[in-house]
Order: sequence, then structure tokens, then C-alpha cells
Amino acid sequence: QKEVEQDPGPLSVPEGAIVSLNCTYSNSAFQYFMWYRQYSRKGPELLMYTYSSGNKEDGRFTAQVDKSSKYISLFIRDSQPSDSATYLCAMTGGFKTIFGAGTRLFVKA
Amino acid sequence: GAVVSQHPSWVICKSGTSVKIECRSLDFQATTMFWYRQFPKQSLMLMATSNEGSKATYEQGVEKDKFLINHASLTLSTLTVTSAHPEDSSFYICSRLAGDYNEQFFGPGTRLTVL
Repeated sequence: QKEVEQDPGPLSVPEGAIVSLNCTYSNSAFQYFMWYRQYSRKGPELLMYTYSSGNKEDGRFTAQVDKSSKYISLFIRDSQPSDSATYLCAMTGGFKTIFGAGTRLFVKA
Repeated sequence: GAVVSQHPSWVICKSGTSVKIECRSLDFQATTMFWYRQFPKQSLMLMATSNEGSKATYEQGVEKDKFLINHASLTLSTLTVTSAHPEDSSFYICSRLAGDYNEQFFGPGTRLTVL
């Protein structure tokens, strides 16, 4: 079993839709959770990070962590074509960071 | 603005030659940096952890004699792909840690094509 599971997609949605991206994990030692966005042929950029269960909001983005279920989500409201990218979840409990496979998202105008 | 830079952004080389990729931490000193490889439509694969002033720590399956890492200063780590072959063609990305949660900040990546 992989430490982090993430559906690679692709996920295609119309502009304005609410997007839900998810990851599950198996190691309860993970304490910090992050979401990265990666455009084609670019390095990943940090979108959001959190360490506790619950929701964290930043503009159109909301990160949600449920440690009891070992499940994290990223919600994108009012999705835009510019949101089309690969989204990677990541988590760490110490020194090493484990990344999900990434979900490719396409937002159609 | 960018906190990690990479050079070159794109390189094409002939099979059998060596290629050096530079990774610089722009905003503060980094005793530890990471090197990743990413094949098309796949996730990041950690190759090695670069430690300033000491040997790099390689992940299982990564040939240390083929992927030479040098972290000679607190702002610069280099990855040299020696005797490159077409199967080494990939996107190489470096990163450094920052912040309270040890978030990683990534460079823009270097696309290597070996002919």
C-alpha cells in the first residue's frame, strides 16, 4: 500500500465549477499537509499548508484535513481556466516529505 | 518572488556526455536541498538529499556514481548527470525547506533531453 494515494485524473470541469481534489494516507505520523500546483513544464508551487484537522481558506481555495479518516482535500471555488494544472498533495511527519501522484485538472472555458 | 533558481532551464546533450544542473537558494542559506526527477505525467521522485559540506544521501535505486551531487556552499547545490543516456531524459527539480511546517519550495526545473 502506498503511503499516499491520489487519483491522477484527469479531471475536467467547466469554468465556474467547484473542484474537489483528494488524497488518502496511511501513516498516522504525518502531521503537516500541503497542496502544490504544478503547471506544465514548471516546478511545483506551494498553494496551501496546514497541520491540524479542519478547514483552512485562502481566497478561492480551501484545504481540509480529517486526521481521523486520514483524508485531505483541496476545494477550488469558481474554477478558472488558469487553474488548469496538476495538483499534488504532500505530507510530512518529520524530515521526509511524501508526495501524491498528482491530479491533472482541466477547467474548460 | 522565486526563492529557488535552477540553471539551465533546458538542456539537450549527446549520449555519453555529462551535464551539470545548478540549484541556488536565493533568499537564505540552505544546509539541505533536495533533488527530484519527474517523468511525463508522473509525480515527483526523490533522488537524493543534498547536504552542505557532506555527502549526499541517495534514495534506493539511484546510482550515486551516475548522479553526482555537490553542495559546496550554503546557497548552491549541483547535480551532474554523468555519461547521460536517452533514458536519463527527464525533468529535474530541486527544492529547499522553509517555514514552520518544513514546506518545500521548488525550483523551476531543468528539462534534460539526451539524444
